[in-house]
Amino acid sequence: AQSVAQPEDQVNVAEGNPLTVKCTYSVSGNPYLFWYVQYPNRGLQFLLKYITGDNLVKGSYGFEAEFNKSQTSFHLKKPSALVSDSALYFCAVRDKWDQAGTALIFGKGTTLSVSS
Amino acid sequence: KAGVTQTPRYLIKTRGQQVTLSCSPISGHRSVSWYQQTPGQGLQFLFEYFSETQRNKGNFPGRFSGRQFSNSRSEMNVSTLELGDSALYLCASSLEVPSGANVLTFGAGSRLTVL
Repeated sequence: AQSVAQPEDQVNVAEGNPLTVKCTYSVSGNPYLFWYVQYPNRGLQFLLKYITGDNLVKGSYGFEAEFNKSQTSFHLKKPSALVSDSALYFCAVRDKWDQAGTALIFGKGTTLSVSS
Repeated sequence: KAGVTQTPRYLIKTRGQQVTLSCSPISGHRSVSWYQQTPGQGLQFLFEYFSETQRNKGNFPGRFSGRQFSNSRSEMNVSTLELGDSALYLCASSLEVPSGANVLTFGAGSRLTVL
């Protein structure tokens, strides 16, 4: 069965410092991986996705993510955090070879808190 | 263009009642998916519709049902509400069947409180 783990419930960083939000996944085949962000009282907003190819994926708002097949990880990163990046971040996966797997499988989410 | 619109945004019901939530997808999108978000269980897939057909269903009891209309608008219904049904219900739309790398666009959600 597919699964996603976000090992940290909360990540705290100071503004201007680099940030990393961790994600590991488990699928039977090859994965499609996604990061979404949720601000209070808002739905999920798409940040970026990994399909194939370059292991470093660039997305919205200066975020990027690094796909590591051997470690089955897809960590979200940003070189310099902003206070406005404070939100709830979700990693999600679909199995590339599971034709019935239209659902996104989400991690539990990681709250990012950026202090000024 | 307008995003995914969910109504109502907030509602309060009592145990045993039923509720209907509505979702209007982005214009031109033919697929609608529903997810339940709770603090304990996180985001869980409910069901997915494409061209008025339910194509996939998550592991929820039969009290949870949905449908999609010819204009792609979707409704979900929860009957005989339980306290544990209190959650944020999120609707997402996509142009085609949400497989593979297709990106879902989410609405702001309907927050249901069951008393």
